This record gives sequence, C-alpha cells and structure tokens, in this order.
Amino acid sequence: DSGVTQTPKHLITATGQRVTLRCSPRSGDLSVYWYQQSLDQGLQFLIQYYNGEERAKGNILERFSAQQFPDLHSELNLSSLELGDSALYFCASSVGPVGEQYFGPGTRLTVT
Amino acid sequence: AQSVAQPEDQVNVAEGNPLTVKCTYSVSGNPYLFWYVQYPNRGLQFLLKYITGDNLVKGSYGFEAEFNKSQTSFHLKKPSALVSDSALYFCAVSTANTNAGKSTFGDGTTLTVKP
Repeated sequence: DSGVTQTPKHLITATGQRVTLRCSPRSGDLSVYWYQQSLDQGLQFLIQYYNGEERAKGNILERFSAQQFPDLHSELNLSSLELGDSALYFCASSVGPVGEQYFGPGTRLTVT
Repeated sequence: AQSVAQPEDQVNVAEGNPLTVKCTYSVSGNPYLFWYVQYPNRGLQFLLKYITGDNLVKGSYGFEAEFNKSQTSFHLKKPSALVSDSALYFCAVSTANTNAGKSTFGDGTTLTVKP
C-alpha cells in the first residue's frame, strides 16, 4: 500500500458525460501528479500540482482539468467524454516538486 | 524535450540468471532518473532513483541500476532473477528545471522470469 488513495476504483459512463476522479496523497506529500495509462498510448503524464499550484503540464486535453485543494487532495475532471478516454487514470504523490513518486491504485474509466 | 527509450518490449530470463532491463534518456541539464515496477492491475511502485552521487544505485527487492552519463543510460539490473520479478518495468526521467514535475516515462519493458 503506497498511502495514496484514489476514488472511485471503477467508473462506467457514457460518451458526452463528465466525471470527477479524486486523489488523496500520502501524508506529508505536497505534490500530486495525474497520469493516463492506455494500451495504445502507454503511461502519459497529464499534470502536476505542488502545494496547491500547477507545477507542470503534460499531454492534458482541454476537456480535462484538475486542481489541488488546500488539504492537498486533488481532483481530475474529465468532460465531454469520448470512447478514447477509456483508460486507467493514476494519481501519484511526492514530497517535493521532484523526486520519487508513489502511485495510487488507479481509477479504471470505461466510456461506452 | 526530454525523452526515455526502453528498447526492449520484452525481456525473458531464467530464474537464477542475471537480468538487465535497458533504458536510455535524453534531457537538458542534469537528469533525475527512476525505475518503477507495475504488477497486473496495480499502480506503479518506486524501485530506485539516481539524483546525484554514486553511479551505482541500489533499490528495493535486490535491484540496482547504473547511471552512465556518457552513454545517457540507466540500465536496471539484478544478479539473480526470481519468478516473482515478472512484471512491467518503467524507466522515467525528470530534471530540476522550471518544468521539473514533467516526468517522462518510457513505454515499459515486460520482464518474464521462467522457472
């Protein structure tokens, strides 16, 4: 158990819908990262927050947004969902802005 | 732009034999290098890192990796493989620049250790 929690574990929704994925980092970690893992695209870095501020941005679509709250938990919002958004979404956390990351168990999103 | 290459999709070794999973990287500035392992239906687990110092770093479960600056490589090694080492392995790189959090992962290498 990495200490990073993600909810929900599974999510099935229809195209065009909006969902919110939630992540709680390990106690004491200030950075939260979001990743998308799919079979054809591998592990893609989406975005990082450090102590409430956006720190780095990767291949995140405009339909996706995220934020980190004062209690350091983070939410990833996915809207206007498409079939191709079906994937595993991982959250990770680290103590500082760089360093080893600890991954949550992931949320499996299925868009039908 | 930074990048990571794991040239082998699959590595097969016999139990008890040494294993190597290869990783090369490209980055501006000093690299921060990491290895992670992913078991089926699980999140990635941190194995080891190189930030600075000794080129040979030791990590969890008997794994080690050697940083080679001239060859821009960071190969993962283990002297004696176990069947339980069978998993998907990812190499990752980041740097300490302003976009420091942007971690780039390789495509992963599936390690299969046969009894």
